[in-house]
Amino acid sequence: DSGVTQTPKHLITATGQRVTLRCSPRSGDLSVYWYQQSLDQGLQFLIQYYNGEERAKGNILERFSAQQFPDLHSELNLSSLELGDSALYFCASSPTGNYGYTFGSGTRLTVV
Amino acid sequence: AQSVTQLGSHVSVSEGALVLLRCNYSSSVPPYLFWYVQYPNQGLQLLLKYTSAATLVKGINGFEAEFKKSETSFHLTKPSAHMSDAAEYFCAAGDDKIIFGKGTRLHILP
Repeated sequence: DSGVTQTPKHLITATGQRVTLRCSPRSGDLSVYWYQQSLDQGLQFLIQYYNGEERAKGNILERFSAQQFPDLHSELNLSSLELGDSALYFCASSPTGNYGYTFGSGTRLTVV
Repeated sequence: AQSVTQLGSHVSVSEGALVLLRCNYSSSVPPYLFWYVQYPNQGLQLLLKYTSAATLVKGINGFEAEFKKSETSFHLTKPSAHMSDAAEYFCAAGDDKIIFGKGTRLHILP
């Protein structure tokens, strides 16, 4: 157990739907990062939050949004889902100052 | 912009042989460098990290990596491969935001 908890582990949904992925960072970590992993694109950085505020944005689509709550857990919202959104979504956390991330075990999203 | 290139999407070595996974980074200033390992159906686990303290970095499971500024490389090695080393390995670079290479799948032949 890495200390980063992601739920759900698996999610199957239809095109056009909206889903929410949840991440609880490791205790004491203020930064949360979201990554998308697919066979063709590899690991793509989506977004980073630090202590509740958006810190950096990567290749995140406008249909996707995220937030980090006062208790530091984070949610990634994916809407108007398309078949191409099927992927593994990872959350990672780190303490202040980056010395490497701790990853959760991911959420496997399948859009049918 | 920083980028990370891993040479070889698949590498096969015999059990007991040397493991060498290649990584080159592109950056005007050497960033923090990392190697992660991903086992099937699991998240990424940090193997080792370079943070400018020493050019030869030792990690978990017998892996080590050497930072070579002149070659902008950070190759991962292990003297003797075990079957349990079969996994996907990612090289990564960055500071506040980490960029990952496309990964190298390591196969261990009996």
